[in-house]
Amino acid sequence: SYELTQPPSVSVSPGQTAIITCSGDKLGDKYVCWFQQKPGQSPVLVIYQDTKRPSGIPERFSGSNSGNTATLTISGTQTMDEADYYCQAWDSRNVVFGGGTKLTVL
Amino acid sequence: EVQLLESGGGLVQPGGSLRLSCAASGFTFSSYAMSWVRQAPGKGLEWVSAISASGGSTYYADSVKGRFTISRDNSKNTLYLQMDSLGGEDTAEYYCAKLTNGGAVAGYFDYWGQGTLVTASS
Repeated sequence: SYELTQPPSVSVSPGQTAIITCSGDKLGDKYVCWFQQKPGQSPVLVIYQDTKRPSGIPERFSGSNSGNTATLTISGTQTMDEADYYCQAWDSRNVVFGGGTKLTVL
Repeated sequence: EVQLLESGGGLVQPGGSLRLSCAASGFTFSSYAMSWVRQAPGKGLEWVSAISASGGSTYYADSVKGRFTISRDNSKNTLYLQMDSLGGEDTAEYYCAKLTNGGAVAGYFDYWGQGTLVTASS
């Protein structure tokens, strides 16, 4: 079965750039989404179709996808961005989520 | 405003059954595919099942195939998940999520409910 691999944790200082990766076989051939989930809350879509931001998502969130790796970049990271982040793609008729990355802003 | 409100969770004994519901509002429910995603305590997201806008196509994760059944009633704007033969591994928060297309394959999850907790334990 298809797998998406994320680093368990990423740390960044406020104002710096956070980069979260998501790896999978030929992932660049698929569309990738990214979700933010804060403790006790439902996931929120922050990037869809690799690079697009939904309405209401700050411009500091951006995405890319090429080869075997998709990347979520948060520029000028704020303390409010501390959360778990999940990548997601479709493989055939199945939805696949990455294992999640805990972003710590300190 | 899109709203998805799950209900039906609770404590169930191993081997038991439960039916979850997701009441949708704020969009034309019959035009969009829907899905269930779960999250075990302290764990990541796991896709469970999806259904096309018409209900004619359904898809399941291998972990629930043959035990769970997804369905929808477009006249009531409601999504369902019938869960049978529940085990401890099914203990999780269950979220319903709206897809952006009518078919149940591809598209992306643009709205999520607040979740309903299912606990399978004796």
